[in-house]
Parts: sequence; structure tokens; C-alpha cells
Amino acid sequence: SQTIHQWPATLVQPVGSPLSLECTVEGTSNPNLYWYRQAAGRGLQLLFYSVGIGQISSEVPQNLSASRPQDRQFILSSKKLLLSDSGFYLCAWSGENEQYFGPGTRLTVT
Amino acid sequence: KQEVTQIPAALSVPEGENLVLNCSFTDSAIYNLQWFRQDPGKGLTSLLLIQSSQREQTSGRLNASLDKSSGRSTLYIAASQPGDSATYLCAVRGWGQGFSFIFGKGTRLLVKP
Repeated sequence: SQTIHQWPATLVQPVGSPLSLECTVEGTSNPNLYWYRQAAGRGLQLLFYSVGIGQISSEVPQNLSASRPQDRQFILSSKKLLLSDSGFYLCAWSGENEQYFGPGTRLTVT
Repeated sequence: KQEVTQIPAALSVPEGENLVLNCSFTDSAIYNLQWFRQDPGKGLTSLLLIQSSQREQTSGRLNASLDKSSGRSTLYIAASQPGDSATYLCAVRGWGQGFSFIFGKGTRLLVKP
């Protein structure tokens, strides 16, 4: 069966510090991968998606970036965090039909 | 641009009631629609998936319907239980953006014992 891992589970970072969130998927190959953010009082916002290694599409201009160095690994990064980057970050993968989500990372920028 | 709206934003019901959650979307050219459940501080759990060619799907006490032409879906929960308390999210999958989903803001459900 397919499993999706995210870490860390929670993170508190000061403004201006770097960020690296990692997501890995098991039990499937060549999945579409996604990063979403859920800010307080707002819906889920698609940040990035990837249809293959090294292929990244950005949906929202911001100070975040994503990379896919391996087939089942998706990384979300920032060089300098802003207060507005606080939120709940969810990684997801999709097969032909459904989308499956990881447990999420709660990021608080102070 | 696809927009997904969920009504009501919050709902509080006594245990045992049947209830309906509503989802509407602006572009009927969808690939499929998926209902999720989210518990506080947790990720999303898939409840039901309806393909664009289908009218409804059922799983236990849950029934989801889809009327693509009118841009509507409903999630029916029968005989609600306190364990059903969570936020329910509707997501519409389009043909672009890597087949990603567009989400509504959710309905926050509280089932009181």
C-alpha cells in the first residue's frame, strides 16, 4: 500500500531563517506530487506540483521553492522565512483518480 | 478559474441527526470530485471519490452525489455520531495544473452527544 511521510511534524522558526520540509512517498512510482498550504481561516492553497523528477510548477509567487531530486521525494524550501509563511503544510500525491495526503507540518514563524 | 464553495461554514447538530453538506463549483469541466475529512491538526483523509461520469458514491453512512451540469455536490451523513465531528472538505479535480485539486474552505461539523 502507498504511504506518504512528512517531516518535521512541527517547526518554530524565526523570521529570516531558512526552511526545508521533506516529503517522501512509498509504494508507488512516478506519482504526481503536490505541496499545499493551509493558513488559519483559509482553505487549502496549492503551492507547487511536480509531474516528474526535476519538473516543478509554481502556482503562487512567493519566497518558497520546491525541488524533486528523486522520483518519490519532494522538498519545500525557503531561503528567508516571512511571518506570512506560517501555516500547515501538506504534501500529497495522486494516482489516476484519488489524491492522498501526508500528516502535515505545522510551521510557526516568529 | 475554478472556485469551490462550501455551505454551511459550520454546523452543530445533536447526535443521531441526518445531515447534508453542500459543495458548489463554478466550472463543470471537472475530472472528478473528492470529499475529505480533516481532524484538528491532522492531514486529510479521503472519504469518497466521484468520477465526473458518476452520480453518486456510498460508503457506510456516507453518501455523496454529483450534479456536474449544475456544479453541485452534496455529502449526506446518516445517523450522525460524535466521532463524525471534524472539518469536511470538498475538492474538485480539473484537467490542468498537474491534475491538482481545488478545495473549498470546508464545513466544520460538531455532533453533540
